[in-house]
Amino acid sequence: TQLLEQSPQFLSIQEGENLTVYCNSSSVFSSLQWYRQEPGEGPVLLVTVVTGGEVKKLKRLTFQFGDARKDSSLHITAAQPGDTGLYLCAGAINTDKLIFGTGTRLQVFP
Amino acid sequence: DVKVTQSSRYLVKRTGEKVFLECVQDMDHENMFWYRQDPGLGLRLIYFSYDVKMKEKGDIPEGYSVSREKKERFSLILESASTNQTSMYLCASSRLANYGYTFGSGTRLTVV
Repeated sequence: TQLLEQSPQFLSIQEGENLTVYCNSSSVFSSLQWYRQEPGEGPVLLVTVVTGGEVKKLKRLTFQFGDARKDSSLHITAAQPGDTGLYLCAGAINTDKLIFGTGTRLQVFP
Repeated sequence: DVKVTQSSRYLVKRTGEKVFLECVQDMDHENMFWYRQDPGLGLRLIYFSYDVKMKEKGDIPEGYSVSREKKERFSLILESASTNQTSMYLCASSRLANYGYTFGSGTRLTVV
C-alpha cells in the first residue's frame, strides 16, 4: 500500500511565525501537489511540482520536491490567519490517479 | 470559472434510505472521483471513473455504487444508508493526475 505521511498532524501558531510541513513516502511520484482545504469546502490546488529538487514560490509559500521525488515540503513565511486550513499533499501514482497525504491542520492565531 | 458542482451541501437521511449524491463538472474532464473524508482518516477513495459508463472500485467501495451515463455527471449511490456512512463526501474531476484535481464543495451527509 502506498502511503504519504504528513507531519506534523496539527500546528497551532501565532501570526508572523514561520512553519514547515513535511510530506514523505517510500514511493516515487511523477508529480506532487499541495492543496489547502478550508472548513466546509473542498480542497483547492495550490501548486504542482514535477522535477526532483524543484522549488516553487507562491507569495509567502515555498514548495520543494525532493531530489528523489519521494518527498516534499511546504514552508510558510510570516503566517497569517488567512493561512488557516487543512493542507494536503498528493502524489501522482499513474497518469490518472493521486494518493493523498494524511493532512496537516494549521491554525494561525492573530 | 471552471467548476465541479455537488447538488447538496447538507443532507440528512434515515437509515435504510437510498441516497443519491450528484456531481457535475463543466471542464470536459475524462476522470471523476468520489471520496469520503472523516476526521483522522483523511481522504478515502470510494469509486472513480475514467470514461462514460466506466467505473473502478477505490479503497472503500462497500455499500456504495456509482453511475456515469454522461461525461459531465458522476453519481454516488448509497443503496441502503447506514449511520457509519455519515461523512463529508467530495467529488473531484481531472484531465490527468499531474494537472491536479478540481474538487466540489462537498456534501455533508448525516444518516440518522
